[in-house]
Amino acid sequence: EVQLVQSGAEVKAPGESLKISCKASGYTFATKWVGWVRQMPGKGLEWMGIMYPGDSDVRYSPSFQGHVTISADNSITTAYLQWNSLKASDTAIYFCARGWSGLPSPFDSWGQGTLVTVSS
Amino acid sequence: EMVLTQSPGTLSLSPGERATLSCRASQSVNSRFLAWYQQKPGQAPRLVIHGASSRATGIPDRFSGSGSGTDFTLTISRLETEDFAVYYCQHYGTSPPLTFGGGTKVEIK
Repeated sequence: EVQLVQSGAEVKAPGESLKISCKASGYTFATKWVGWVRQMPGKGLEWMGIMYPGDSDVRYSPSFQGHVTISADNSITTAYLQWNSLKASDTAIYFCARGWSGLPSPFDSWGQGTLVTVSS
Repeated sequence: EMVLTQSPGTLSLSPGERATLSCRASQSVNSRFLAWYQQKPGQAPRLVIHGASSRATGIPDRFSGSGSGTDFTLTISRLETEDFAVYYCQHYGTSPPLTFGGGTKVEIK
């Protein structure tokens, strides 16, 4: 069974750094794209970026390029989403999701979401 | 950049009724790369339709997708109580961003 298990909720102050994780199991991690999706409070889904763990190919939405970093550690089948300097507007739920095949492909499995709260 | 516009914003229907949700693209879309997702409160999204008309694994046949070019439709033939949720369309091409529509909420009337 494919599973994506995300790290727990975080509360951070503006300007702080953060790295959240997405632990994959039930499939060959290096051979499927893993993406990240933001959902701000009460709002819709925003596609942030996607990574192919097999060769570290990363593609970002222009809206998020330069503000977040997507990475992965194949040895522990885990994907990451990282911020160097959080803003209050980063408050949201962040989902990781698996692309079922090569690009293009939809997201067929999703993590449970990580709530990130940025507040002074 | 591709923009997907979903309508209506909210659909108020009773169980047993038919739901018709629209997704309009700002430019022509390869229908092989159009998906629909369902999201219930407090849950992650779930893939419902891919390739514009193919049901994902475990999705009941009351869900169907259609369309081509710039206009796509998700139809739920007879609403069950578990179908009341927010539905998002997505174009999953090869060039970022892989845009989502703004969502349609299907609520109980």
